[in-house]
Amino acid sequence: AQSVSQHNHHVILSEAASLELGCNYSYGGTVNLFWYVQYPGQHLQLLLKYFSGDPLVKGIKGFEAEFIKSKFSFNLRKPSVQWSDTAEYFCAVSPYNTDKLIFGTGTRLQVFP
Amino acid sequence: DSGVTQTPKHLITATGQRVTLRCSPRSGDLSVYWYQQSLDQGLQFLIQYYNGEERAKGNILERFSAQQFPDLHSELNLSSLELGDSALYFCASSVSGQGYEQYFGPGTRLTVT
Repeated sequence: AQSVSQHNHHVILSEAASLELGCNYSYGGTVNLFWYVQYPGQHLQLLLKYFSGDPLVKGIKGFEAEFIKSKFSFNLRKPSVQWSDTAEYFCAVSPYNTDKLIFGTGTRLQVFP
Repeated sequence: DSGVTQTPKHLITATGQRVTLRCSPRSGDLSVYWYQQSLDQGLQFLIQYYNGEERAKGNILERFSAQQFPDLHSELNLSSLELGDSALYFCASSVSGQGYEQYFGPGTRLTVT
């Protein structure tokens, strides 16, 4: 069955620290990859997406992610986090030729000033 | 604000009852998706409609059903409710199907007592 694993359930960082959140998926075919963010009390928003081409994709608010096909991974990174990045982050996969999103369990990020 | 609206925001009901959740997609979006977010199952895809027709089904219980109306709004009907149905129910919409960003609504929090 298709699944998405997010290894870090809860991450606590100080402002200016670097961030990397892991995401691995299990699916043998072509996939589209996404990172969504949910700020406290708000709806899910798209941070970035990968469909094809350059495996290093840049998203909003200084986030980027790298698709490594051989490792079935799509890790999210940010060089320097801010307090306002406190949120829950979800990795999601959409198998090619389908519309549904398969989400990971989410990573709760807390950034302290 | 994603442009996707959901009503009601909160719903408290008793076991065995039936409820209807409503979603209005962004203007121009033809696809509507329903997701369930619970503590034990995470974010799970339930069902997708495209321009009034069911397009994809996920882990949706037989007690649950959905439809999309000619004006493109969608309703998710949950019947014979059980305690385990307590969750956040999100609706998302997209212009078309695969490859397009899904925009999420604020969710309806259902509590079954």
